[in-house]
Amino acid sequence: AQSVTQLGSHVSVSEGALVLLRCNYSSSVPPYLFWYVQYPNQGLQLLLKYTTGATLVKGINGFEAEFKKSETSFHLTKPSAHMSDAAEYFCALSKTSYDKVIFGPGTSLSVIP
Amino acid sequence: DSGVTQTPKHLITATGQRVTLRCSPRSGDLSVYWYQQSLDQGLQFLIQYYNGEERAKGNILERFSAQQFPDLHSELNLSSLELGDSALYFCASSVGPLGSPLHFGNGTRLTVT
Repeated sequence: AQSVTQLGSHVSVSEGALVLLRCNYSSSVPPYLFWYVQYPNQGLQLLLKYTTGATLVKGINGFEAEFKKSETSFHLTKPSAHMSDAAEYFCALSKTSYDKVIFGPGTSLSVIP
Repeated sequence: DSGVTQTPKHLITATGQRVTLRCSPRSGDLSVYWYQQSLDQGLQFLIQYYNGEERAKGNILERFSAQQFPDLHSELNLSSLELGDSALYFCASSVGPLGSPLHFGNGTRLTVT
């Protein structure tokens, strides 16, 4: 069965510091992987996605993620945190094109001025 | 704006009642997904439709049902409501194939009293 785990339900960083949000997955076949962000009182928005090809994926708002098959990981990073990055971040996967998308439990990111 | 419209935004009802949540997908998207988000359960996949047909089923209770109509809008019906059904219900849509990302509506907040 597929699953997504996110280490750390809450992460705090200082403004300007590196953001690292961890995601590990379990899948019987190479999955499609996604990171979504949810701001308060809003739906989820896509940050970036990995399907095939280059393992380093660049997304919006300066975020990027690296797919590491050997570690079954897809960690999200941003070199310098902004106050506007404070939100809930979800890692997600789907097995095939038409399969359901499974979300991790989410990581709440706080940015300290 | 994701292009996905969910109505109503808020719904307050009593236990034992039945409600219908509506979703209009983004123009051109054939897949519709329903998710339930609560503090204790996180983001739970309920059900997916693709071009009018049920494609995948998740942790959807028997008291809940959904359908996708020929014009591609979808409705989620919740019946015999319980206090524990209080949650944010999201609809998302996607084109469908090739690991396409989900586009989320802003959700319907259901409160069961």
